[in-house]
Parts: sequence; structure tokens; C-alpha cells
Amino acid sequence: QVQLQESGPGLVKPSETLSLTCAVSGYSIISGYYWGWIRQSPGKGPQWIGSIFHSGSTYYHPSLKSRVTMLVDTSKNQFSLNLTSVTAADTAVYYCARHYGDYPPDYWGQGTLVTVSS
Amino acid sequence: EIVMTQSPATLSVSPGERATLSCRASQSLSSNLAWYQQKPGQAPRLLIYGASTRATGIPARFSGSGSGTEFTLTISSLQSEDFAVYYCHQYNNWPLWTFGQGTKVEIK
Repeated sequence: QVQLQESGPGLVKPSETLSLTCAVSGYSIISGYYWGWIRQSPGKGPQWIGSIFHSGSTYYHPSLKSRVTMLVDTSKNQFSLNLTSVTAADTAVYYCARHYGDYPPDYWGQGTLVTVSS
Repeated sequence: EIVMTQSPATLSVSPGERATLSCRASQSLSSNLAWYQQKPGQAPRLLIYGASTRATGIPARFSGSGSGTEFTLTISSLQSEDFAVYYCHQYNNWPLWTFGQGTKVEIK
């Protein structure tokens, strides 16, 4: 059973860096899938942030590219998201997910709410 | 960026009735369109990909159709567990994936 679990601070101050980790269980992170981050602001549709392959190759949404960094830790079977210079507009539920190539994500984490506020 | 427009925003349906949800893309997707179901406090669940292929474990009452820019999700006979928000998702333009704003299916 593939499981993904997000973790990280639920509150981040404006201008600081949002950092989240996604722990993967039941599946090896090096087994050919991509691992992505998606966020959802209250009452809105999901927004794709980007994805990473186990080799370290990354693909970011252009609107966030200047502020996003994703890393993979194969020894811990997890991957991470850093989003710098956050504002209130970055307040959202953040999900991690798995997808195969350019196919849509099939497994998602439960999501973690991150609020940007002083 | 491909804009996905879903209609209606809210659909009121009685249990046992058919629900038809629409999704329009601002440019052609071929068949690279997926549908997700989301219940409150839960992650989205993949229902349909390739516009019409049901994901593993999805009941046959869910069906998808369409290609190009016009797509439809049909729930043939609504069950109590089907009342949720449904999102369409285009994956034609990797990595510039986008989602629709959702259709809420509520009990009439």
C-alpha cells in the first residue's frame, strides 16, 4: 500500500521560507515514478507546484520557479519542498503526490495546511 | 497556460439520479484529461484518466467522455458517497498542469 505523508510547520511568517517533507512508504522512491507537490487555496482548485525524479531532475511551474526548490533523499525515501519569500497568497493546503511520467497523479498524501501570517 | 472551465459550479441531484459534469479547455488536450473526486478534509481521488479510462477500483457508475476541448463526467446513479467536489485536470501540457475550479455535487 503506497502511502505519502506531509510534515512541516503549519505557520510561517511573511517573507520567510516554507519547508515541507513528504515521507513515502510502501514504495521505493527510486522505482521510476515522479514525486510532486500540489497546493490548494481555500475554495479553489488545486495548483501544480512542481515535481522531482529520484535522479534529482526537477520540473517547476513557471509562476513559482524563482521561489521553489525540491530535493529528494533516497536514503530516507522522502522528498522535500522549499518555497521562499512567502506571502499570504501562499496560504494553502499542500499535498505531495506520485505520478508516472506525464500521467496524472494516482496517490496523494492527506495534505497539510500552511498558513502565512505574522 | 491552459485554462480549465468547469460547469456548473454547483449541481443539485437526488440520490439515484444521473449527474452530468462538464469541463472545457482553452486549447486542445487530445485525451489528456483526468477527473478527481474530493471530499471535505481529504485528498483528491483519481477517478478517470485518458478522458474515459476508470482508475483502479472506481465503480462503473462513473464514466468519462470527450476529447479536444470538451469533456464530460457522468455519474449514472448517484450514491450517498458520491456527494463531493469534482475537479478536471489537464495533463497534456507537462509540466504546466492545470486544474479546473471544481463542481460541487450536492444533495437535492
